[in-house]
Amino acid sequence: GNSVTQMEGPVTLSEEAFLTINCTYTATGYPSLFWYVQYPGEGLQLLLKATKADDKGSNKGFEATYRKETTSFHLEKGSVQVSDSAVYFCALSTLGNKLVFGAGTILRVKS
Amino acid sequence: DTEVTQTPKHLVMGMTNKKSLKCEQHMGHRAMYWYKQKAKKPPELMFVYSYEKLSINESVPSRFSPECPNSSLLNLHLHALQPEDSALYLCASSQVLGTGEQYFGPGTRLTVT
Repeated sequence: GNSVTQMEGPVTLSEEAFLTINCTYTATGYPSLFWYVQYPGEGLQLLLKATKADDKGSNKGFEATYRKETTSFHLEKGSVQVSDSAVYFCALSTLGNKLVFGAGTILRVKS
Repeated sequence: DTEVTQTPKHLVMGMTNKKSLKCEQHMGHRAMYWYKQKAKKPPELMFVYSYEKLSINESVPSRFSPECPNSSLLNLHLHALQPEDSALYLCASSQVLGTGEQYFGPGTRLTVT
């Protein structure tokens, strides 16, 4: 079956530090890959997506590249801000199937 | 308008009560979802409606009863809940069923006493 594995958190960084959150997946077929973010007290928001191998999704300074050879979709940001503190979920979907989430990674950014 | 709205924001109910959660979207999406999210966990899919018909029921107990009155509205009727049903209930929508690009509402924080 399909599954997503994320690095465990919490991840604690100082403001302006570089962020990487690792995500690997197992899937049959050709999945689309997503990063969702959940700020405290809110629902999930789609942060970025990639639909095929070598695609790079980007939004708000965050990036992730769909790597089929390593089945990975790592999230990166060059300089984090306190406002980036949230829970980040990696997820995948295959055609006609439900969204499968990773366990989530808590990010805490200190000023 | 890319917003999914949910009411109420918070709900406290006893185990013998009947209540309903409401969700609305005006993006013309034809798939709508209910998720349950426990603290520090990812959302768990409960139900999916596609073109106003129930497409997926993830073996949810019958004390949860979904309803899709029209393409913009989704309800979740609650009856005889248990304390372990306390959670954040999220509604989401997508253009069609099966796309991972979903738009989530802010959720209803439910406490069962």
